[in-house]
Amino acid sequence: GENVEQHPSTLSVQEGDSAVIKCTYSDSASNYFPWYKQELGKRPQLIIDIRSNVGEKKDQRIAVTLNKTAKHFSLHITETQPEDSAVYFCAAYSGNTPLVFGKGTRLSVIA
Amino acid sequence: EAQVTQNPRYLITVTGKKLTVTCSQNMNHEYMSWYRQDPGLGLRQIYYSMNVEVTDKGDVPEGYKVSRKEKRNFPLILESPSPNQTSLYFCASSLWPSGANVLTFGAGSRLTVL
Repeated sequence: GENVEQHPSTLSVQEGDSAVIKCTYSDSASNYFPWYKQELGKRPQLIIDIRSNVGEKKDQRIAVTLNKTAKHFSLHITETQPEDSAVYFCAAYSGNTPLVFGKGTRLSVIA
Repeated sequence: EAQVTQNPRYLITVTGKKLTVTCSQNMNHEYMSWYRQDPGLGLRQIYYSMNVEVTDKGDVPEGYKVSRKEKRNFPLILESPSPNQTSLYFCASSLWPSGANVLTFGAGSRLTVL
């Protein structure tokens, strides 16, 4: 089945800097890659997703890139703000099993 | 308001005392799922349901039961809770059974088993 590895597990950046979180997946049939954000004490919520027919997707300050050959995808947050502090989860879906989540990255944006 | 509702939000219980965490969605979603969240382990799937009367085991089903008698409800049952089931539990739903669509999560249920 699918296995998703997420790095780093914790990340601290200065306000205004960029943050990058990387995930690798094992099943080459995976075709859908969402990212969820979980603020402290809250529920996870989808912030951006990408499908395998697209290499990059952007929404304001966040972007996701996908490299199908290398089987990895990344979340990029530019001009980070304190409200970006949260736990971020990547996930992958191959059609063979339900959505599989990475273990999460705790991002701290230091003002 | 479209939402997934879980109850109770917080519960402290003792080993062996059966409990049920309810989950209800008002979006007519086909797919429902239960996850547990533990520090450093991320979101691990317990059980999921593609439709009414169809349930399947996730990655960590031991010690849990579920049922899907109605489309909107997907209760999680702990027949004989143990301390290693102390965790934060999330119910989630999505429109289609395919994993390639948005999951809507409930607010979470924090369970402590003494």
